[in-house]
Amino acid sequence: DTAVSQTPKYLVTQMGNDKSIKCEQNLGHDTMYWYKQDSKKFLKIMFSYNNKELIINETVPNRFSPKSPDKAHLNLHINSLELGDSAVYFCASSQLRASGRYEQYFGPGTRLTVT
Amino acid sequence: GEDVEQSLFLSVREGDSSVINCTYTDSSSTYLYWYKQEPGAGLQLLTYIFSNMDMKQDQRLTVLLNKKDKHLSLRIADTQTGDSAIYFCAETQAGTALIFGKGTTLSVSS
Repeated sequence: DTAVSQTPKYLVTQMGNDKSIKCEQNLGHDTMYWYKQDSKKFLKIMFSYNNKELIINETVPNRFSPKSPDKAHLNLHINSLELGDSAVYFCASSQLRASGRYEQYFGPGTRLTVT
Repeated sequence: GEDVEQSLFLSVREGDSSVINCTYTDSSSTYLYWYKQEPGAGLQLLTYIFSNMDMKQDQRLTVLLNKKDKHLSLRIADTQTGDSAIYFCAETQAGTALIFGKGTTLSVSS
């Protein structure tokens, strides 16, 4: 039933490790996103994928690499984790409506803690 | 870059009205959105307004848009303790990703 799901919900790891966060949506949407929410609750777009093509790549370190095996999945792989990567990462998906409106649906978030 | 500004905190008493304000910068945004985030949860779309509208009402929620001043507000009537959350306004970037304000933490006391 869950529209946008993420795993894991919590991830605690040490500096220097490599980790992945998975996202799946069952809404049939064409576009998926990764957002980062820092400790002050500020939310910023990291990546956007439309039909498996990257269409936005904000100023995110290249240690972060999104991978989309199909349009229902967008995973986030992070190499050489740093303390500053600690945050909550949200996956979202959307579909362009005829009205020009995008309604984004968000996953529950993955809280990443780097020690 | 584009910035969406919001005041960070608002405290009200139960039963009062809450008004959360937002200033956006991209005049080409076709739609503007309000999202709600409860503690430990993801974001939930509350409401949206089309840029050619001045007002939209949805039960206890009223959205006002002043396009000239790029000002958006969300009014919650008869605020309840369950309304305590962080409220984000957002505009679209290049028609796809959302640019969020910094969020307004609404605290409702009984």
